[in-house]
Amino acid sequence: RKEVEQDPGPFNVPEGATVAFNCTYSNSASQSFFWYRQDCRKEPKLLMSVYSSGNEDGRFTAQLNRASQYISLLIRDSKLSDSATYLCVAPHYGGSQGNLIFGKGTKLSVKP
Amino acid sequence: SQTIHQWPATLVQPVGSPLSLECTVEGTSNPNLYWYRQAAGRGLQLLFYSVGIGQISSEVPQNLSASRPQDRQFILSSKKLLLSDSGFYLCAWSGTGVQPQHFGDGTRLSIL
Repeated sequence: RKEVEQDPGPFNVPEGATVAFNCTYSNSASQSFFWYRQDCRKEPKLLMSVYSSGNEDGRFTAQLNRASQYISLLIRDSKLSDSATYLCVAPHYGGSQGNLIFGKGTKLSVKP
Repeated sequence: SQTIHQWPATLVQPVGSPLSLECTVEGTSNPNLYWYRQAAGRGLQLLFYSVGIGQISSEVPQNLSASRPQDRQFILSSKKLLLSDSGFYLCAWSGTGVQPQHFGDGTRLSIL
């Protein structure tokens, strides 16, 4: 099983829609997770950190299910500007050095 | 606040030529530093990470090397570039432990 797996998409949704991405991870000892956003030909930027059961920031909600080892990202009221690739990130197995494993990303395209 | 600088933004090099990419961080001490490569349409591949001056760990054996001559300076080098070295090179920093990583703007390297 890969350390971090995401549905590559693309998810094509209309403006105003609610969209959810799931991500599974293999290291059951992982405590901290992150969602990043990467625009085309740009660097990844931190969107949210997930340290416990979940986190909410405006239209964005991240949830963690430790029993099933998956993390989800929910985007409500999608905007055109939400179009990007969303990367799920988990600590590397035995990641005491702070190494992170980045998923390959889920591409979101929000249409007018 | 912390900032990370990476240059150049774009680079075109012939096969067999040397490479030197530089990354510097400001506003923090003893950061963990990372070099990633992202091939077109692909995920992030960790190349090197460093937890301190002169301490380099290599994740993928190849014709690239990294050095950390100062606390907040991280350099990626190659003596002879290959066509397969083309890609988007990203430098990142983080605090100690499992912390989010923060990326520079990246260098888009094309090998001719």
